[in-house]
Amino acid sequence: EDQVTQSPEALRLQEGESSSLNCSYTVSGLRGLFWYRQDPGKGPEFLFTLYSAGEEKEKERLKATLTKKESFLHITAPKPEDSATYLCASWGAGGTSYGKLTFGQGTILTVHP
Amino acid sequence: DTEVTQTPKHLVMGMTNKKSLKCEQHMGHRAMYWYKQKAKKPPELMFVYSYEKLSINESVPSRFSPECPNSSLLNLHLHALQPEDSALYLCASSQEITSYGYTFGSGTRLTVV
Repeated sequence: EDQVTQSPEALRLQEGESSSLNCSYTVSGLRGLFWYRQDPGKGPEFLFTLYSAGEEKEKERLKATLTKKESFLHITAPKPEDSATYLCASWGAGGTSYGKLTFGQGTILTVHP
Repeated sequence: DTEVTQTPKHLVMGMTNKKSLKCEQHMGHRAMYWYKQKAKKPPELMFVYSYEKLSINESVPSRFSPECPNSSLLNLHLHALQPEDSALYLCASSQEITSYGYTFGSGTRLTVV
């Protein structure tokens, strides 16, 4: 069974203090690794898809990277508006994974001014 | 139009009521999904429709009945729910069931009293 584990569960940063969120995965035939941002009471907002180890993608203050076992979401000089829950999800090729995203528990990021 | 629209945004229903959640997308996506999300938990897959046919049912109780009347519309009919069914119900769509990345709606916040 596919598993996705995110750490830390919660992260508090001061504005401008860069850090990284981790997503470890055990997936049968990974086809894609996704990062979403979710604000309270709203649906997840798509950030990135990574398909193969070594791949990197950037968007504003966020940069996602992928290895064969984990993915990192790096946040550079965060602002209070970056506060949200960040969800990692895998898409596998295994029989029971077909057509599904397997989500991690999420990291709650709080950025203080 | 790059959105998934869910209505209503909030719903309060009694345990004997019958209600329906509606989801609409006009992106030409042929795969649509229902997810359930409890507070501080990741989304959990309920149903997957591909080309208007039910493709995956994650052993969801029969008090939840999905329907896909056409390629743009997905409904979730609710009947005899329990208080523990209170959650955020998320709809998502993707180009095909094998496509990478979903677009999520903002969700319906359901409270069962």
